[in-house]
Amino acid sequence: DAGVIQSPRHEVTEMGQEVTLRCKPISGHNSLFWYRQTMMRGLELLIYFNNNVPIDDSGMPEDRFSAKMPNASFSTLKIQPSEPRDSAVYFCASSLELARGGELFFGEGSRLTVL
Amino acid sequence: GENVEQHPSTLSVQEGDSAVIKCTYSDSASNYFPWYKQELGKRPQLIIDIRSNVGEKKDQRIAVTLNKTAKHFSLHITETQPEDSAVYFCAASGGGSGGSYIPTFGRGTSLIVHP
Repeated sequence: DAGVIQSPRHEVTEMGQEVTLRCKPISGHNSLFWYRQTMMRGLELLIYFNNNVPIDDSGMPEDRFSAKMPNASFSTLKIQPSEPRDSAVYFCASSLELARGGELFFGEGSRLTVL
Repeated sequence: GENVEQHPSTLSVQEGDSAVIKCTYSDSASNYFPWYKQELGKRPQLIIDIRSNVGEKKDQRIAVTLNKTAKHFSLHITETQPEDSAVYFCAASGGGSGGSYIPTFGRGTSLIVHP
């Protein structure tokens, strides 16, 4: 398996623009996570899906952020409108058997810069 | 919810020395404690984990210890090498009233190994 695949790897955009980040989890994994990483706040959980259903979105900063998982092999994280403080590396991760303490497999991340 | 504190935030050692990173957690029901390593510009990857029914686990030059009574766990790296330089994250999961298996991460420790 190619692992968790994220796109784009790098995104530079201007304030106010819409940003869409994409993730393809490892085939067969039933849990998917979106994390945001910054120097100031470390790894923050934004949202968690189990079997394509959002279970915990308490980490989503505000209404500008939304996430979807239309099927088991694809998820998106959208920011609209984007702001400079959204600049960060966004990681998608997937897991199998999370309830048994399963490993999280991270993608390479999407580095977002909002000017 | 679970709260994980990690110390130190930065650790600088000479090649060949040992390095110790410590984490504390707040939820006594947590039962799974993974450690992730993130090299510069790369994704976090699991390097070792420990479950609450075990007090210590070793894998070559790395070891983890767990003290459930004190609610703290540590990562030990012996005979450090320059390639050990990375950010290390601890995490805890399995606690909460509903048995949340979503890992809560510490803020990370930047380990620098000087040749």
